[in-house]
Amino acid sequence: NAGVTQTPKFRILKIGQSMTLQCTQDMNHNYMYWYRQDPGMGLKLIYYSVGAGITDKGEVPNGYNVSRSTTEDFPLRLELAAPSQTSVYFCASSFGQGSNTGELFFGEGSRLTVL
Amino acid sequence: GDSVTQMEGPVTLSEEAFLTINCTYTATGYPSLFWYVQYPGEGLQLLLKATKADDKGSNKGFEATYRKETTSFHLEKGSVQVSDSAVYFCALSGGNFNKFYFGSGTKLNVKP
Repeated sequence: NAGVTQTPKFRILKIGQSMTLQCTQDMNHNYMYWYRQDPGMGLKLIYYSVGAGITDKGEVPNGYNVSRSTTEDFPLRLELAAPSQTSVYFCASSFGQGSNTGELFFGEGSRLTVL
Repeated sequence: GDSVTQMEGPVTLSEEAFLTINCTYTATGYPSLFWYVQYPGEGLQLLLKATKADDKGSNKGFEATYRKETTSFHLEKGSVQVSDSAVYFCALSGGNFNKFYFGSGTKLNVKP
């Protein structure tokens, strides 16, 4: 069972560079999410998607973009990397039947450092 | 808006001690409540959940009861082990888009 797979696991970027964090899930989940976790902090929602072709902003979307062309994939794009984007990024998915539903399934995380 | 507040850590306990990690929430409607655990270097994984008032979630010796009257979902374990050392997150979900709100996490250190 692959579940939620994120790549890369580690990356170092220079200020101003761009990159894409890949996320794919094989559970046929409708809902997918990107979170960031700063040291000693909880998770903050960057973007989420309720299905292919539908995305929306979370709490901290600035500096990021997403797309959802298929049910399985939900890549996160950083266009102009800044030191403030140094964080651990988690992709997650859920079945998403509405309120009071099931849990989130998380990937293992991608540690990004911007220097 | 919806939010979760949990006790700050770190919490340091000796093996076999009793554990309580407090969690309170603010939400409209009737959210589901969760505890997630994050072991070092890993992603979060579900520990337990409760979907309605007075439900008790349990797993691996951990328990939490959904208390609507006190808007709380405190995590408890009667006898912790070194292997329970991790960061614990309280979370809620609700609303049409199944959005999740996480607390800031509580780090638990268990010493032998």
